[in-house]
Amino acid sequence: DTEVTQTPKHLVMGMTNKKSLKCEQHMGHRAMYWYKQKAKKPPELMFVYSYEKLSINESVPSRFSPECPNSSLLNLHLHALQPEDSALYLCASSQEVKVRNTFGSGTRLTVV
Amino acid sequence: AQTVTQSQPEMSVQEAETVTLSCTYDTSESDYYLFWYKQPPSRQMILVIRQEAYKQQNATENRFSVNFQKAAKSFSLKISDSQLGDAAMYFCAYGNPNGGATNKLIFGTGTLLAVQP
Repeated sequence: DTEVTQTPKHLVMGMTNKKSLKCEQHMGHRAMYWYKQKAKKPPELMFVYSYEKLSINESVPSRFSPECPNSSLLNLHLHALQPEDSALYLCASSQEVKVRNTFGSGTRLTVV
Repeated sequence: AQTVTQSQPEMSVQEAETVTLSCTYDTSESDYYLFWYKQPPSRQMILVIRQEAYKQQNATENRFSVNFQKAAKSFSLKISDSQLGDAAMYFCAYGNPNGGATNKLIFGTGTLLAVQP
């Protein structure tokens, strides 16, 4: 199994809603990442977890809250988002905190 | 700080022809990795090819090869015998494996490749 699986694929939420994005991998990778990608732009790193501990937070607003329940799962909890948060959210994993990322196919988020 | 520059926002190639995508980068590190990722409309970022800076030999993966010029800080991607399925956004990326807060990918702005039948 060499995949990173993200759910849901699409999500529409209101600015007062609370929702969660989920990411799962079974490759034994110990580092997991959340990226945000706007249309026709490169991915921007948001968070990095290494051995289930948050190791990098790229000054992301607190309305985004990551969680790593175990080495295979990564969640991104969303609350009180703004329309400008609409984007593709990509999850990735790698063997320890190294640079070769394996990406999921993303969640397309629309905030209305 | 490291930077990655892709100067070609869009490129077009005829099917079965060869195309080269350009990438330059800036770093003061001696040990690093360079990558080309492909992102088709399906959205998934797919690793195309990877180059370790300490290796002088250019990486090759089937129809994909790189021209790595370390002194010039240049890392171009050559796609031979282009196929319709090669149409995608291509991102050049830099990574430093030396730990701490620098362990993250730095992406270029991307090149949108169209393949004409």
